[in-house]
Amino acid sequence: GAGVSQSPRYKVAKRGQDVALRCDPISGHVSLFWYQQALGQGPEFLTYFQNEAQLDKSGLPSDRFFAERPEGSVSTLKIQRTQQEDSAVYLCASSRAWLSYNEQFFGPGTRLTVL
Amino acid sequence: AQTVTQSQPEMSVQEAETVTLSCTYDTSENNYYLFWYKQPPSRQMILVIRQEAYKQQNATENRFSVNFQKAAKSFSLKISDSQLGDTAMYFCAFMKGAQKLVFGQGTRLTINP
Repeated sequence: GAGVSQSPRYKVAKRGQDVALRCDPISGHVSLFWYQQALGQGPEFLTYFQNEAQLDKSGLPSDRFFAERPEGSVSTLKIQRTQQEDSAVYLCASSRAWLSYNEQFFGPGTRLTVL
Repeated sequence: AQTVTQSQPEMSVQEAETVTLSCTYDTSENNYYLFWYKQPPSRQMILVIRQEAYKQQNATENRFSVNFQKAAKSFSLKISDSQLGDTAMYFCAFMKGAQKLVFGQGTRLTINP
C-alpha cells in the first residue's frame, strides 16, 4: 500500500504570504503528527491528532501556525504571514493506533523556503 | 522535559567496517521507547531499530544492534559490515507512551568505498 504522502514537495513563499501544506496519512492510521526540521537539525514536534481531535499542539511556535484534520484523514498545516525563520522541512508522520506503541511512518516532507 | 543528545555531528568509515553512533538522553520516566531513525538524502525518515526501556536485552536487526544502558541513559547504535547504502543522517529519538518523538541533533554518517 501507499505510504505517507505530502504536497507540495517544495514551496517558495515571499515573506508575509500564507501557505498550506498537505499530508495524506496511510489509510486507516488513527494518529497523525507534524514535525518541523530546520536545516542540519533533528525534527521537532509541532502537533498531534488522534482521528480529527488535535490532542497536543504544544510545539506550534506561534499563533501563525494552525493545523487541522477535519475528517480524521488528510491533514493541513497552515502558516500565516510567513517569516524567514519558518524556512524548514515540514514532516508528517502517521501511526496505526494510540493505545500503545505503534511505529510512526514518515512522509517525504515539504521543504518551505521563505524569501 | 526529555532531551536527547548526539555528540557526534559527523562520522566517516570505510565500507565493511563497524561503526558506533552515540546517544544519551535525559528523562525521569521509567517506561519509554528509544529509536534510531535513518534519513537518507531523499529525506524520508526510516525506522532502523527500537528498544523498549523495560527490556534488558539489547535489540538487534540484522547488521544493526544497540547498546542500551538504562542507568547511564545511553543508547548507542552499532552498524556492522557497513555498506554504501548506510550513508545517511542518523537520529536517536525518545518516546513516552504513544505520542511525540523527541529527536537528537543527528549524526551524519558517510560510508566510503
